[in-house]
Amino acid sequence: NAGVTQTPKFQVLKTGQSMTLQCAQDMNHNSMYWYRQDPGMGLRLIYYSASEGTTDKGEVPNGYNVSRLNKREFSLRLESAAPSQTSVYFCASSEATEYNSPLHFGNGTRLTVT
Amino acid sequence: AQSVSQHNHHVILSEAASLELGCNYSYGGTVNLFWYVQYPGQHLQLLLKYFSGDPLVKGIKGFEAEFIKSKFSFNLRKPSVQWSDTAEYFCAVNGSRDDKIIFGKGTRLHILP
Repeated sequence: NAGVTQTPKFQVLKTGQSMTLQCAQDMNHNSMYWYRQDPGMGLRLIYYSASEGTTDKGEVPNGYNVSRLNKREFSLRLESAAPSQTSVYFCASSEATEYNSPLHFGNGTRLTVT
Repeated sequence: AQSVSQHNHHVILSEAASLELGCNYSYGGTVNLFWYVQYPGQHLQLLLKYFSGDPLVKGIKGFEAEFIKSKFSFNLRKPSVQWSDTAEYFCAVNGSRDDKIIFGKGTRLHILP
């Protein structure tokens, strides 16, 4: 049982480059999330998707786009990377049938923008 | 807008000491509350959650938390910490009918052997 799988694990980009972070879950969960984790800032919600076909902005959506490709997959795209986007990115999913389901996290993607 | 405040950014304790980590939230309605733990080099794992009923909830590894609605608080406690509890602890909240889950900035706990 793989749970939540994120790729890649590490990435280095130059300012202005674009990339897509991939996330897939095999738990048939309805909700999926993208967070970024920075020292002293905790986890900040970038975007989330309550169900297939819907996406909503979180706390820090600027500079990012997302796609809920199907129930399993939720990708995060940086169109023009900036040094301020250097961070560790976590994807998470939740069954969310009662809104109190816990989050299941992937192992993270460590992104450095130079 | 919902928010979560964790007042202790860095806590250092000796083994066997008692622990209490503060968490206050802001939200205009009923809430679900969570505590997650992140061990060094790992992703977050659920410690415990509250969504209704008994405001004192027990989680894994001897942790418990008490929801005090009048104080908008959900403090995490453990009577006697172990070196293996060294980790970062995050409080999180969402509205009881809302998928948007917001985290606090975390408390880094360091247990001295």
